[in-house]
Amino acid sequence: DAGITQSPRHKVTETGTPVTLRCHQTENHRYMYWYRQDPGHGLRLIHYSYGVKDTDKGEVSDGYSVSRSKTEDFLLTLESATSSQTSVYFCAIGLAGGPGQYFGPGTRLTVL
Amino acid sequence: QKEVEQDPGPLSVPEGAIVSLNCTYSNSAFQYFMWYRQYSRKGPELLMYTYSSGNKEDGRFTAQVDKSSKYISLFIRDSQPSDSATYLCAMSNTGNQFYFGTGTSLTVIP
Repeated sequence: DAGITQSPRHKVTETGTPVTLRCHQTENHRYMYWYRQDPGHGLRLIHYSYGVKDTDKGEVSDGYSVSRSKTEDFLLTLESATSSQTSVYFCAIGLAGGPGQYFGPGTRLTVL
Repeated sequence: QKEVEQDPGPLSVPEGAIVSLNCTYSNSAFQYFMWYRQYSRKGPELLMYTYSSGNKEDGRFTAQVDKSSKYISLFIRDSQPSDSATYLCAMSNTGNQFYFGTGTSLTVIP
């Protein structure tokens, strides 16, 4: 997981509370992504960023917002967490020289 | 209809077998095709990617793309217990936004 970290790695929260997940990269990559992974659905894109302050929505963006004020940090915020947002969240960066992505270790979020 | 369909398995094979993993897709604009391996409680790691149609080989792994059939495959030769993982296919038309299959769980039995 060198080059990309996620924090926290595990979090349990209650419905209605705000939650922020952090992704930090040391690779200076332009593209960063947030995915959620759920059984039966695989990896689904929430939001992605193509530069500082430049972000766009993915296929499951409702209930999520993102911010990127520095190249190395990409934050995912759940404004008011719901039980349907219980999932494993992965951050990824775009790989140089190809279309693939390098993933972080993931954050397990449980919303009670 | 999902953009990408992948049989979830599980698939169980003896050590040394040839494994075939497959995905189908509906968007004819996809031109980047990737395979990832994901071990339990870890992030996916990129195994191979191909651009447009054709084959690509890397050691024991071969990726094939048939755009006319909208079908991609990953073959693993001489499978090893360490290959036991979930394999995810992913596709993109722009190289920036990706669509993933649900993953196929593979177990290689020693």
